[in-house]
Amino acid sequence: DGGITQSPKYLFRKEGQNVTLSCEQNLNHDAMYWYRQDPGQGLRLIYYSQIVNDFQKGDIAEGYSVSREKKESFPLTVTSAQKNPTAFYLCATGRGNTEAFFGQGTRLTVV
Amino acid sequence: KQEVTQIPAALSVPEGENLVLNCSFTDSAIYNLQWFRQDPGKGLTSLLLIQSSQREQTSGRLNASLDKSSGRSTLYIAASQPGDSATYLCALYYNFNKFYFGSGTKLNVKP
Repeated sequence: DGGITQSPKYLFRKEGQNVTLSCEQNLNHDAMYWYRQDPGQGLRLIYYSQIVNDFQKGDIAEGYSVSREKKESFPLTVTSAQKNPTAFYLCATGRGNTEAFFGQGTRLTVV
Repeated sequence: KQEVTQIPAALSVPEGENLVLNCSFTDSAIYNLQWFRQDPGKGLTSLLLIQSSQREQTSGRLNASLDKSSGRSTLYIAASQPGDSATYLCALYYNFNKFYFGSGTKLNVKP
């Protein structure tokens, strides 16, 4: 069953903690993206990667970090430097860098 | 910088009505345009993809058009149903490295 798997579905973070959101794909797509979505707003790009071992900052990268050691995986770490991390996080891949496919998202809440 | 606008932000219609959702963009040098559907708390599901050389795409009751010269795309939904209730987002692949999203139109189809 091909697709994009994000885990966990729900995540709770205490103040000052780093947390890592997982994104795995078996679509064999080169490009992968992380977006943040706040209530009533559109998607904002955090980081993207066009190829293994390379990634670029998006529009709101501060307080986040990523790695791309494998083609299938693009984990996102929300660090303690991100002051307002409560949001819905979406991982996406790009087919031929032109068509986007999305996972089901991770809802992160600060407690 | 590319800006994507979706109007209206919200729309409520009675079941059976035909409707049009709008997406406008400021830079016509796009590679393609994609329409998505998002249900509450879920990821994005791709509905239609229009390449820059195409004028429209159809899938079932959905028809999407693209006019690059005027910077506009429309999503036409025929004979709307309560199950069509969701948020609809348009996304552009632009500048050969990332997608730009509108903030979406929240559609409510009343039985």
